[in-house]
Amino acid sequence: QVQLQESGPGLVKPSETLSLTCTVSGDSISSDYYWGWIRQPPGKGLEWIGTIYHTGSTYYNPSLKSRVTMSVDTSKNQFSLRLSSVTAADTAVYFCWDGGSHWGQGTLVTVSS
Amino acid sequence: DIVMTQTPLSLSVTPGQPASISCKSSQSLLYSDGKTYLYWYLQKPGQPPQLLIYEVSNRFSGVPNRFSGSGSGTDFTLKISRVEAEDVGVYYCMQTIQPTFGQGTKLEIK
Repeated sequence: QVQLQESGPGLVKPSETLSLTCTVSGDSISSDYYWGWIRQPPGKGLEWIGTIYHTGSTYYNPSLKSRVTMSVDTSKNQFSLRLSSVTAADTAVYFCWDGGSHWGQGTLVTVSS
Repeated sequence: DIVMTQTPLSLSVTPGQPASISCKSSQSLLYSDGKTYLYWYLQKPGQPPQLLIYEVSNRFSGVPNRFSGSGSGTDFTLKISRVEAEDVGVYYCMQTIQPTFGQGTKLEIK
């Protein structure tokens, strides 16, 4: 069974870079799936951040594109998210996702000094 | 951006009664491969979303058959034939061509 698990700091200072990693188990990240990140500010709806294929091709939300970088590490069966120049508006639960039915449990990232 | 508009934003339903949620997209979700990439998810409190319906009308594995999806082009509907207490949560439609979500519809039990 496919499982996804987010990891990374729960607190990031304003203007710094948020970095998260998603570890995939039960499936190879080099499969035909694409992988993605989605976030949810407290009490609000879902926002797609971006998608990455195992080839490394990426597609980002236009509203975040200038600050987002996603990458994949096939040797570790992981993919990662970097979001630069964060503000309080980036405080959210961040989910990794396999493009379909499998989601990580989510990790809360708070942006605060 | 493709804008997804859900109605209603909240529903209060008596157990055993039906429920229906509408999702309209600002442009057609019919892709060049002939598929329509419209999904329905349910997010229960404190949990990640769970997939109910994929590609408009395909029920995901393990999803009760009281859930059904329909529609085409820009207009889509999720129906619950007989609501049960375990169906409470927020329902989201999502398109995956240029991924965006609807605002969510909160279902509660009367």
